[in-house]
Amino acid sequence: DAGVTQSPTHLIKTRGQQVTLRCSPKSGHDTVSWYQQALGQGPQFIFQYYEEEERQRGNFPDRFSGHQFPNYSSELNVNALLLGDSALYLCASSLLEGRNSPLHFGNGTRLTVT
Amino acid sequence: AQTVTQSQPEMSVQEAETVTLSCTYDTSESDYYLFWYKQPPSRQMILVIRQEAYKQQNATENRFSVNFQKAAKSFSLKISDSQLGDAAMYFCAYKIPGNQFYFGTGTSLTVIP
Repeated sequence: DAGVTQSPTHLIKTRGQQVTLRCSPKSGHDTVSWYQQALGQGPQFIFQYYEEEERQRGNFPDRFSGHQFPNYSSELNVNALLLGDSALYLCASSLLEGRNSPLHFGNGTRLTVT
Repeated sequence: AQTVTQSQPEMSVQEAETVTLSCTYDTSESDYYLFWYKQPPSRQMILVIRQEAYKQQNATENRFSVNFQKAAKSFSLKISDSQLGDAAMYFCAYKIPGNQFYFGTGTSLTVIP
């Protein structure tokens, strides 16, 4: 049973560029959430996708956008990269209807903006 | 606003000893869930234990147990018989049904051989 997989593992981009991160959820899960984890901090919620729609969004600018595909996989796009976007980006999957359904995380993508 | 506070940035414990990590949260909700996640250097967040707020009984998973004090909004994690593999960042998290998770800033646990 494959868990949550994310690609790429590491990424280096230049300020102003655009980046796309990818995530495949755990088998059987229908909801994908994205989190940003700055160095030394806890994960911060970016947004959540369910049935190919953005269901909830955290306090992140419109430069952060996403998509969920019919097979439940998801992408996170960040435009006009800033130095402050350097962080570990975590994808997590879960079941929307599971009241206490925990998040299952991938290994993350380490994004460095120079 | 939902907030989760972990007041201990770093903790250390001798191998085979017991350590308790603290977590407090702020909420006006009555129906919610609490979690402890572990993040080793491999970066993957791993679920350690979960607690439903409506359950008075404290959750236990092998060497891991919680002390859930609902009135005090406290949710501490106790690790018994600490092992070298327990060394990691530990994050306390809170969620209400159908909503996002809120994480604390983490506690870095060192296990001393």
